[in-house]
Amino acid sequence: QKEVEQDPGPLSVPEGAIVSLNCTYSNSAFQYFMWYRQYSRKGPELLMYTYSSGNKEDGRFTAQVDKSSKYISLFIRDSQPSDSATYLCAMTKNSGYSTLTFGKGTMLLVSP
Amino acid sequence: NAGVTQTPKFQVLKTGQSMTLQCAQDMNHNSMYWYRQDPGMGLRLIYYSASEGTTDKGEVPNGYNVSRLNKREFSLRLESAAPSQTSVYFCASSTSTGGTEAFFGQGTRLTVV
Repeated sequence: QKEVEQDPGPLSVPEGAIVSLNCTYSNSAFQYFMWYRQYSRKGPELLMYTYSSGNKEDGRFTAQVDKSSKYISLFIRDSQPSDSATYLCAMTKNSGYSTLTFGKGTMLLVSP
Repeated sequence: NAGVTQTPKFQVLKTGQSMTLQCAQDMNHNSMYWYRQDPGMGLRLIYYSASEGTTDKGEVPNGYNVSRLNKREFSLRLESAAPSQTSVYFCASSTSTGGTEAFFGQGTRLTVV
């Protein structure tokens, strides 16, 4: 079993839809959780960063962590064509002493 | 504000040739990383440098060497390129080794023929 699992998609939605992107993980030691957005032929850019369980909201984006289920989600409200990208989840055990483990990414396509 | 800058952006090598990928960051970050990204494989860590003067192997270090030249610069060297090293290479930096809030460069697309 891979440490971090993420459905590769593509996930196709119409403009304005609510999008749910998810990752599951197997290592209960992960404590810090991140979502990166990667446009085609560009480097990943950090979208959201959360520590432990709970929700965090930033504009149209909400990150949710459920450590008991080893499950993290990214919700995008009022999706726009400009949200079309690959979304990578990432996590780490300890902010100071371990490196990031990435999911393989989910491709999102938002049609006008 | 440049962030993380990688050079070159594109490169084609012949099997057996060597080259060095350059990376520089201007955010005064302590930690720097080299990843490769391949279709269906996601981002895989090649080497990282927790701080100036230290380097450590990641998940896929074979065939690569690194140098942390100073706090700003971290280079990746392919001594004898192989077709299996055809990939997109990303450099990243962060304030701490955990890589939380890591910032990535724009990538180097390398093809080995």
